[in-house]
Amino acid sequence: EPEVTQTPSHQVTQMGQEVILRCVPISNHLYFYWYRQILGQKVEFLVSFYNNEISEKSEIFDDQFSVERPDGSNFTLKIRSTKLEDSAMYFCASSVFPLGDTEAFFGQGTRLTVV
Amino acid sequence: DAKTTQPNSMESNEEEPVHLPCNHSTISGTDYIHWYRQLPSQGPEYVIHGLTSNVNNRMASLAIAEDRKSSTLILHRATLRDAAVYYCILRDMNGGSQGNLIFGKGTKLSVKP
Repeated sequence: EPEVTQTPSHQVTQMGQEVILRCVPISNHLYFYWYRQILGQKVEFLVSFYNNEISEKSEIFDDQFSVERPDGSNFTLKIRSTKLEDSAMYFCASSVFPLGDTEAFFGQGTRLTVV
Repeated sequence: DAKTTQPNSMESNEEEPVHLPCNHSTISGTDYIHWYRQLPSQGPEYVIHGLTSNVNNRMASLAIAEDRKSSTLILHRATLRDAAVYYCILRDMNGGSQGNLIFGKGTKLSVKP
């Protein structure tokens, strides 16, 4: 069964450093998303991406965050200058169509720890 | 997106059916009812979705009230692997906010052997 893969599974970084989280969506999917989940809290939407541009973003997705699809397979989330509060699980997801009558497929996540 | 209300937690015995309720009294005519679940230390996983009619798939069944103001996710025989947080989410059939799956707190299902 096709799946969304994320790397690395766990990343530790120092405060102020840049991190790039990588995702390989399912190959025929056109819509891509990032979510995050701070330990013990809800899953929160960050950003959606379609046709090489951001289609929607939340208040969390400020200027420190950026997304990119550098080639035909990868989808990345960059945090320019990490803060302690960026420590969370980050989930990538993808879907064939917009999320109405279709489902999102999520990766297993990257645990980001900022020290 | 319209709001959903779910119990915080439920318990079930292994191999028994589980009925997970969800209230969505402000649902609009174009909202699909989606269910996702999140097993411990994993990403959310799609379970099922429907609009008006009851739906069945290999994982579960979705029973939708006639007025669509509530729905029930049915796991026919709970296994230990079904222990997870289950989320009921409404999504506009026209896509609307393309990525904005709004996850609430969900229902934490515990399954006892």
